[in-house]
Amino acid sequence: DTAVSQTPKYLVTQMGNDKSIKCEQNLGHDTMYWYKQDSKKFLKIMFSYNNKELIINETVPNRFSPKSPDKAHLNLHINSLELGDSAVYFCASSQEGTSGPYEQYFGPGTRLTVT
Amino acid sequence: TQLLEQSPQFLSIQEGENLTVYCNSSSVFSSLQWYRQEPGEGPVLLVTVVTGGEVKKLKRLTFQFGDARKDSSLHITAAQPGDTGLYLCAGARSSGAGSYQLTFGKGTKLSVIP
Repeated sequence: DTAVSQTPKYLVTQMGNDKSIKCEQNLGHDTMYWYKQDSKKFLKIMFSYNNKELIINETVPNRFSPKSPDKAHLNLHINSLELGDSAVYFCASSQEGTSGPYEQYFGPGTRLTVT
Repeated sequence: TQLLEQSPQFLSIQEGENLTVYCNSSSVFSSLQWYRQEPGEGPVLLVTVVTGGEVKKLKRLTFQFGDARKDSSLHITAAQPGDTGLYLCAGARSSGAGSYQLTFGKGTKLSVIP
């Protein structure tokens, strides 16, 4: 069974379009994240959701909006896509304690190409 | 300014050689993780170190957390082609209210040549 799944695996679209990437985790974790990995393989956090509440929002354009219908899902919606949005987007989840370490389980990634 | 400096960025070695990858920061972390990522896949956790000075071994891989919890190293003994991949360190710091923020280094791309 896949722990963290994302769809689609590949997404090719034109500038200006709106698209969504879906993510689901079956680990029972209470926190989910979206990361962007650029062409140089740098992994940067975009959002995290804990119990349906946004707790981290880095300097990401407001064209990007996370949507969490329930604890097991965190979807990423992107409006007015730009060329610079081309990257691999990873969903991840973790279970956070009050003082324990913080380990993440990643999905397989979605390669977004904007033309 | 990059919070976590990882070195080297690229490493190409012959099978059987030893290597060390470094992860350095001026910040203190509550824990530090090492991940390995293969092409077309997401990062996979290798190990978490929590205590300053802690050493963990995973077969031929040895991970060490610095005494001050600001740096870490990954040593691979007798590297094999299957070790090829992108190695990422990630430091965890509290962001308040029981939550932690994970910051990744830029990664070390390792190629082990048969």
